[in-house]
Amino acid sequence: EVQLVESGGDLVQPGGSLRLSCAVSGFTSSSYGMTWVRQPPGKGLEWVSYINPGGDVIYYRDSVKGRFTTSRDIAKNSLSLQMNSLTAEDTAVYYCARRRAYSGYDLDSWGQGTLVTVSS
Amino acid sequence: EVVMTQSPATLSVSPGESATLSCRASQGILTNLAWYQHKPGQAPRLLIYGASTRATNIPPRFSGSESGTEFTLSISSLQSEDFAVYFCQQYDKWPLTFGGGTKVEVK
Repeated sequence: EVQLVESGGDLVQPGGSLRLSCAVSGFTSSSYGMTWVRQPPGKGLEWVSYINPGGDVIYYRDSVKGRFTTSRDIAKNSLSLQMNSLTAEDTAVYYCARRRAYSGYDLDSWGQGTLVTVSS
Repeated sequence: EVVMTQSPATLSVSPGESATLSCRASQGILTNLAWYQHKPGQAPRLLIYGASTRATNIPPRFSGSESGTEFTLSISSLQSEDFAVYFCQQYDKWPLTFGGGTKVEVK
Protein backbone atom coordinates (compact mmCIF):
# COMPACT_ATOMS: atom_id res chain seq x y z
CA GLU A 1 0.00 0.00 0.00
CA VAL A 2 1.30 3.42 -0.95
CA GLN A 3 1.61 5.73 2.06
CA LEU A 4 3.10 9.15 2.61
CA VAL A 5 3.40 10.52 6.12
CA GLU A 6 4.51 14.07 6.79
CA SER A 7 6.04 15.15 10.07
CA GLY A 8 7.90 18.07 11.57
CA GLY A 9 5.19 20.70 11.58
CA ASP A 10 5.27 23.02 14.58
CA LEU A 11 4.79 26.54 15.89
CA VAL A 12 7.81 28.64 14.98
CA GLN A 13 8.61 32.32 15.34
CA PRO A 14 8.98 34.60 12.34
CA GLY A 15 12.49 34.33 10.97
CA GLY A 16 12.85 30.82 12.33
CA SER A 17 13.52 27.52 10.60
CA LEU A 18 11.80 24.17 10.40
CA ARG A 19 12.47 20.91 8.63
CA LEU A 20 9.60 18.80 7.37
CA SER A 21 9.91 15.15 6.48
CA CYS A 22 7.81 12.89 4.30
CA ALA A 23 8.23 9.19 5.02
CA VAL A 24 7.23 7.01 2.13
CA SER A 25 6.21 3.36 2.05
CA GLY A 26 4.85 1.08 -0.62
CA PHE A 27 7.10 2.52 -3.30
CA THR A 28 10.62 3.86 -3.79
CA SER A 29 10.40 7.63 -3.55
CA SER A 30 13.54 8.15 -5.62
CA SER A 31 11.79 6.50 -8.57
CA TYR A 32 9.15 9.19 -8.69
CA GLY A 33 8.92 12.93 -8.96
CA MET A 34 7.78 14.31 -5.63
CA THR A 35 6.19 17.59 -4.68
CA TRP A 36 5.37 19.69 -1.66
CA VAL A 37 2.03 21.46 -1.69
CA ARG A 38 0.66 23.69 1.05
CA GLN A 39 -2.72 25.01 2.08
CA PRO A 40 -2.83 28.24 4.08
CA PRO A 41 -5.73 28.50 6.53
CA GLY A 42 -9.00 29.13 4.72
CA LYS A 43 -7.32 29.18 1.32
CA GLY A 44 -6.70 26.90 -1.62
CA LEU A 45 -3.76 24.68 -2.38
CA GLU A 46 -0.38 26.15 -3.39
CA TRP A 47 2.37 24.21 -5.05
CA VAL A 48 5.68 24.73 -3.19
CA SER A 49 8.38 22.59 -4.79
CA TYR A 50 9.09 19.67 -7.07
CA ILE A 51 12.05 17.29 -7.22
CA ASN A 52 12.57 14.88 -10.09
CA PRO A 53 13.45 11.19 -9.59
CA GLY A 54 17.16 11.81 -10.04
CA GLY A 55 17.14 14.71 -7.61
CA ASP A 56 18.95 16.92 -10.11
CA VAL A 57 15.96 18.99 -11.15
CA ILE A 58 14.24 20.98 -8.42
CA TYR A 59 11.68 23.74 -8.87
CA TYR A 60 10.32 26.15 -6.28
CA ARG A 61 7.56 28.70 -6.26
CA ASP A 62 8.96 32.20 -6.38
CA SER A 63 7.93 33.14 -2.83
CA VAL A 64 10.06 30.38 -1.27
CA LYS A 65 13.10 30.46 -3.56
CA GLY A 66 16.28 30.96 -1.57
CA ARG A 67 14.51 30.08 1.68
CA PHE A 68 13.24 26.53 1.16
CA THR A 69 15.27 23.50 0.12
CA THR A 70 13.84 20.17 -1.00
CA SER A 71 15.98 17.06 -0.77
CA ARG A 72 15.78 13.29 -0.72
CA ASP A 73 17.13 10.77 1.75
CA ILE A 74 17.39 7.68 -0.41
CA ALA A 75 18.45 5.42 2.45
CA LYS A 76 15.37 6.42 4.47
CA ASN A 77 13.09 6.49 1.43
CA SER A 78 11.97 9.95 2.41
CA LEU A 79 11.68 13.53 1.28
CA SER A 80 12.55 16.65 3.24
CA LEU A 81 11.70 20.32 3.08
CA GLN A 82 14.07 22.65 4.91
CA MET A 83 12.35 25.96 5.54
CA ASN A 84 14.32 29.02 6.62
CA SER A 85 13.45 32.67 7.24
CA LEU A 86 9.85 31.75 7.82
CA THR A 87 7.13 34.39 7.71
CA ALA A 88 3.46 34.40 8.62
CA GLU A 89 2.65 33.81 4.95
CA ASP A 90 4.25 30.38 5.25
CA THR A 91 1.64 29.28 7.78
CA ALA A 92 -0.12 26.33 6.19
CA VAL A 93 -0.72 22.62 6.19
CA TYR A 94 2.10 21.11 4.15
CA TYR A 95 1.50 18.02 2.05
CA CYS A 96 3.93 15.84 0.20
CA ALA A 97 2.61 14.20 -2.93
CA ARG A 98 3.81 11.83 -5.61
CA ARG A 99 3.78 12.66 -9.28
CA ARG A 100 1.92 9.97 -11.18
CA ALA A 101 4.35 7.78 -13.12
CA TYR A 102 4.87 8.54 -16.80
CA SER A 103 2.53 11.45 -16.55
CA GLY A 104 2.21 15.15 -16.54
CA TYR A 105 2.49 16.66 -13.13
CA ASP A 106 -0.73 15.38 -11.66
CA LEU A 107 -0.34 13.92 -8.18
CA ASP A 108 -1.66 10.45 -7.50
CA SER A 109 -0.77 9.95 -3.85
CA TRP A 110 -0.73 12.43 -1.01
CA GLY A 111 -0.02 12.47 2.68
CA GLN A 112 -2.41 13.85 5.26
CA GLY A 113 -0.30 16.92 5.89
CA THR A 114 1.56 18.56 8.73
CA LEU A 115 0.72 21.99 10.15
CA VAL A 116 3.27 24.77 10.20
CA THR A 117 2.33 27.87 12.15
CA VAL A 118 4.57 30.92 12.00
CA SER A 119 3.70 33.32 14.78
CA SER A 120 5.28 35.22 17.63
CA GLU B 1 1.17 32.16 -13.83
CA VAL B 2 -1.96 30.34 -14.92
CA VAL B 3 -4.86 31.34 -12.69
CA MET B 4 -7.45 28.63 -12.10
CA THR B 5 -10.92 29.88 -11.19
CA GLN B 6 -13.44 27.44 -9.79
CA SER B 7 -17.16 27.95 -9.53
CA PRO B 8 -19.31 27.86 -7.60
CA ALA B 9 -17.50 28.17 -4.28
CA THR B 10 -20.21 26.07 -2.63
CA LEU B 11 -22.67 23.69 -4.19
CA SER B 12 -25.61 22.35 -2.18
CA VAL B 13 -26.84 19.03 -3.51
CA SER B 14 -29.14 16.32 -2.22
CA PRO B 15 -27.85 12.74 -2.11
CA GLY B 16 -28.69 10.97 -5.33
CA GLU B 17 -28.64 14.15 -7.37
CA SER B 18 -25.95 15.21 -9.82
CA ALA B 19 -23.37 17.95 -9.44
CA THR B 20 -21.47 19.96 -12.02
CA LEU B 21 -18.31 21.80 -10.98
CA SER B 22 -16.46 24.26 -13.19
CA CYS B 23 -12.84 25.28 -13.49
CA ARG B 24 -11.57 27.95 -15.85
CA ALA B 25 -7.95 28.51 -16.81
CA SER B 26 -6.67 32.02 -17.51
CA GLN B 27 -4.79 30.72 -20.55
CA GLY B 28 -4.62 27.60 -22.65
CA ILE B 29 -3.45 24.50 -20.83
CA LEU B 30 -4.42 21.85 -23.37
CA THR B 31 -5.83 18.95 -21.35
CA ASN B 32 -3.21 19.16 -18.62
CA LEU B 33 -5.73 19.36 -15.84
CA ALA B 34 -6.46 17.22 -12.81
CA TRP B 35 -9.30 17.10 -10.31
CA TYR B 36 -8.91 16.15 -6.67
CA GLN B 37 -11.28 15.38 -3.84
CA HIS B 38 -10.30 16.58 -0.38
CA LYS B 39 -11.97 15.79 2.90
CA PRO B 40 -10.99 17.46 6.20
CA GLY B 41 -8.04 15.80 7.85
CA GLN B 42 -7.50 13.43 4.96
CA ALA B 43 -5.10 13.24 2.07
CA PRO B 44 -6.36 14.72 -1.18
CA ARG B 45 -7.38 12.07 -3.69
CA LEU B 46 -6.72 12.21 -7.42
CA LEU B 47 -9.97 11.74 -9.35
CA ILE B 48 -9.28 12.81 -12.91
CA TYR B 49 -6.16 13.56 -14.95
CA GLY B 50 -5.74 14.62 -18.54
CA ALA B 51 -9.02 16.51 -18.08
CA SER B 52 -11.12 13.40 -18.59
CA THR B 53 -9.31 10.20 -17.57
CA ARG B 54 -10.41 8.65 -14.31
CA ALA B 55 -7.61 7.74 -11.94
CA THR B 56 -7.23 4.22 -10.60
CA ASN B 57 -10.25 2.94 -8.61
CA ILE B 58 -12.32 6.07 -9.21
CA PRO B 59 -15.96 5.13 -9.80
CA PRO B 60 -17.58 5.97 -13.14
CA ARG B 61 -19.99 8.45 -11.57
CA PHE B 62 -17.07 10.89 -11.71
CA SER B 63 -16.37 12.30 -15.15
CA GLY B 64 -14.37 15.17 -16.54
CA SER B 65 -14.61 17.18 -19.72
CA GLU B 66 -13.03 20.20 -21.32
CA SER B 67 -13.92 22.89 -23.80
CA GLY B 68 -11.02 25.19 -24.51
CA THR B 69 -10.08 26.71 -21.18
CA GLU B 70 -13.24 25.57 -19.43
CA PHE B 71 -13.17 22.31 -17.54
CA THR B 72 -15.99 20.46 -15.87
CA LEU B 73 -16.17 17.77 -13.24
CA SER B 74 -19.49 15.98 -13.17
CA ILE B 75 -20.64 13.74 -10.37
CA SER B 76 -23.74 11.72 -11.03
CA SER B 77 -25.94 10.34 -8.26
CA LEU B 78 -23.99 11.76 -5.32
CA GLN B 79 -23.20 9.33 -2.56
CA SER B 80 -22.64 10.31 1.08
CA GLU B 81 -18.90 9.88 0.67
CA ASP B 82 -18.82 12.42 -2.19
CA PHE B 83 -19.51 15.44 -0.01
CA ALA B 84 -16.13 17.12 0.11
CA VAL B 85 -14.07 19.92 -1.40
CA TYR B 86 -12.94 19.52 -5.00
CA PHE B 87 -9.87 21.21 -6.48
CA CYS B 88 -8.69 21.50 -10.03
CA GLN B 89 -4.98 21.77 -10.88
CA GLN B 90 -3.23 22.69 -14.08
CA TYR B 91 0.10 21.09 -14.90
CA ASP B 92 0.73 22.57 -18.29
CA LYS B 93 2.96 25.41 -17.10
CA TRP B 94 5.13 26.18 -14.08
CA PRO B 95 4.27 27.02 -11.42
CA LEU B 96 1.66 24.33 -10.95
CA THR B 97 -1.50 26.07 -9.84
CA PHE B 98 -4.73 25.03 -8.20
CA GLY B 99 -8.21 26.45 -8.19
CA GLY B 100 -9.71 27.81 -4.99
CA GLY B 101 -11.95 24.78 -4.59
CA THR B 102 -15.66 23.97 -4.66
CA LYS B 103 -17.28 22.64 -1.54
CA VAL B 104 -20.03 20.15 -2.27
CA GLU B 105 -22.34 20.07 0.72
CA VAL B 106 -25.55 18.32 1.64
CA LYS B 107 -28.64 20.28 0.73
